[in-house]
Amino acid sequence: GQQVMQIPQYQHVQEGEDFTTYCNSSTTLSNIQWYKQRPGGHPVFLIQLVKSGEVKKQKRLTFQFGEAKKNSSLHITATQTTDVGTYFCAGLRSGGGADGLTFGKGTHLIIQP
Amino acid sequence: NAGVTQTPKFQVLKTGQSMTLQCAQDMNHEYMSWYRQDPGMGLRLIHYSVGAGITDQGEVPNGYNVSRSTTEDFPLRLLSAAPSQTSVYFCASSASGSRYEQYFGPGTRLTVT
Repeated sequence: GQQVMQIPQYQHVQEGEDFTTYCNSSTTLSNIQWYKQRPGGHPVFLIQLVKSGEVKKQKRLTFQFGEAKKNSSLHITATQTTDVGTYFCAGLRSGGGADGLTFGKGTHLIIQP
Repeated sequence: NAGVTQTPKFQVLKTGQSMTLQCAQDMNHEYMSWYRQDPGMGLRLIHYSVGAGITDQGEVPNGYNVSRSTTEDFPLRLLSAAPSQTSVYFCASSASGSRYEQYFGPGTRLTVT
């Protein structure tokens, strides 16, 4: 079945440093979504990427979708303590329809003041 | 709008007991799904529904039943609880399938002893 690998599993950064998490799929994706989960909370939707090579920005967050639609990344510039949490990518395989999203295992972002 | 609600927030069961986790949404979403989240495993899809009267299995359906008699409600039944079902369970809904933003409920933390 479809697998979505996400690295790194944990990332420690000093406040103000940049952070990047990477997502790789074993199959071509129809779209990819990114979620953030604060400690003790539930996943919250951040963004969806659909087009090959797509880049989207949300303030300090930059999301990219690879040309082959098999990988994606999330980059945070100048991290703040409010960025703490786990970031998940979730992919829908090409032609997947109602099969459901496959989530990566997430990257835990830990920020040291 | 309350969004997606889940009850109970916490539950402790003994091995072999059965119970139902409740999930309701007030956004008139057609698509609803159940995930379990285990440490280091990300979110795994248990069951999903594309509309009232229609359900299907996800990645890890064994030991769980679902039904969808109304658009609003999507309960998850544990038939005979096992320690391996100790997890955090999230219900999610979206406007029309997994191609769209998923709205997650607050979760139910289940412990099976």
